[in-house]
Amino acid sequence: GAGVSQSPRYKVTKRGQDVALRCDPISGHVSLYWYRQALGQGPEFLTYFNYEAQQDKSGLPNDRFSAERPEGSISTLTIQRTEQRDSAMYRCASSSGVGVGNQPQHFGDGTRLSIL
Amino acid sequence: QQQVKQSPQSLIVQKGGISIINCAYENTAFDYFPWYQQFPGKGPALLIAIRPDVSEKKEGRFTISFNKSAKQFSLHIMDSQPGDSATYFCAASRSGSRLTFGEGTQLTVNP
Repeated sequence: GAGVSQSPRYKVTKRGQDVALRCDPISGHVSLYWYRQALGQGPEFLTYFNYEAQQDKSGLPNDRFSAERPEGSISTLTIQRTEQRDSAMYRCASSSGVGVGNQPQHFGDGTRLSIL
Repeated sequence: QQQVKQSPQSLIVQKGGISIINCAYENTAFDYFPWYQQFPGKGPALLIAIRPDVSEKKEGRFTISFNKSAKQFSLHIMDSQPGDSATYFCAASRSGSRLTFGEGTQLTVNP
């Protein structure tokens, strides 16, 4: 089946604009994770959902960042009033299980966000 | 606070050689330790993973060695091939929650 799909693949916007990044997880995957990856670094956790419930948002850098997954499938990460320091690769991952121990997280190819 | 430390930062090996990447963790609550392989322009792809109740796991040319008392684990790539050239990340998590990644190792396998 299809993997984790993220859109857009690239996003260039001016400082101060709002952006919305979309993640479509693997069909049937219950858990969805957002990470941010700087060049040459490992991904850093932002937030995650089990079904539609946001379980942990402690990795969101500040209140300009928010995420939702209203129907327990597609998720949107929104950044308001973007700043240049928000420029990064944003990655989404999904996994199949809840309450059954650790399940592998499968990553999408990311959205490259550039703030001018 | 870096909870997973990875070394070396870069590694060059000859074709057919053994590649070894090491990671150390701090949080004893971690109970899942995956390794990811990442090619340029692509997302990290799960390579192999281990839980702390075993000391070694082997899948093909890839082996994880795990030392719970030392809070260390390592990836061994046997018979390294040029196609293995990529960035490798170790990671750790607790009970299906967030992954905490190491800094990454850029592996180059020369033909």
